[in-house]
Amino acid sequence: DVKVTQSSRYLVKRTGEKVFLECVQDMDHENMFWYRQDPGLGLRLIYFSYDVKMKEKGDIPEGYSVSREKKERFSLILESASTNQTSMYLCASSSGGINSNQPQHFGDGTRLSIL
Amino acid sequence: DAKTTQPTSMDCAEGRAANLPCNHSTISGNEYVYWYRQIHSQGPQYIIHGLKNNETNEMASLIITEDRKSSTLILPHATLRDTAVYYCIVRAAFSDYKLSFGAGTTVTVRA
Repeated sequence: DVKVTQSSRYLVKRTGEKVFLECVQDMDHENMFWYRQDPGLGLRLIYFSYDVKMKEKGDIPEGYSVSREKKERFSLILESASTNQTSMYLCASSSGGINSNQPQHFGDGTRLSIL
Repeated sequence: DAKTTQPTSMDCAEGRAANLPCNHSTISGNEYVYWYRQIHSQGPQYIIHGLKNNETNEMASLIITEDRKSSTLILPHATLRDTAVYYCIVRAAFSDYKLSFGAGTTVTVRA
């Protein structure tokens, strides 16, 4: 079974803090994704990566950065947390080329609250 | 730009088959049908996907009509743990890597 593990289920941080969200997958997948999910707005792609050290912006990259130093790990960084970044953050991974038909598999999510 | 239409909610009895419909009348030839579900406060879980042939795995079956304009996800023996929001999406391989969920169908399995 595919296993995508996110480091925290719940996280509370203060505005202005630098926040790190970690994601690890154990299936040797080439592609990894960071989404946020908000009520009424659905799923929105923040960043994705199709190879080690490669990254591409999604639809809402502002205020975020990512790092992929190893194939199995994809980190999302909130450079200076703000209250509008309070959300459910979801990491996903998939195999094959970035546009293959292989499904994306998600972690359990990190519910992040910025106070 | 909703590509799929699903009922807002449905109930089913524990132990019975749950049949979840999805309309995707504008589906293109290179678009696959994917099903995910999301149990409250958890991440989305991949269930199954297909292009035009019916598919079955350990979780469910996917029946796609011959014209590909609609499909049905079948959970053969629903349990209380199958209570979740189910999302049907269409996605083009080789051109579309972003996932986008609509409102989905809230499925409640009752004892």
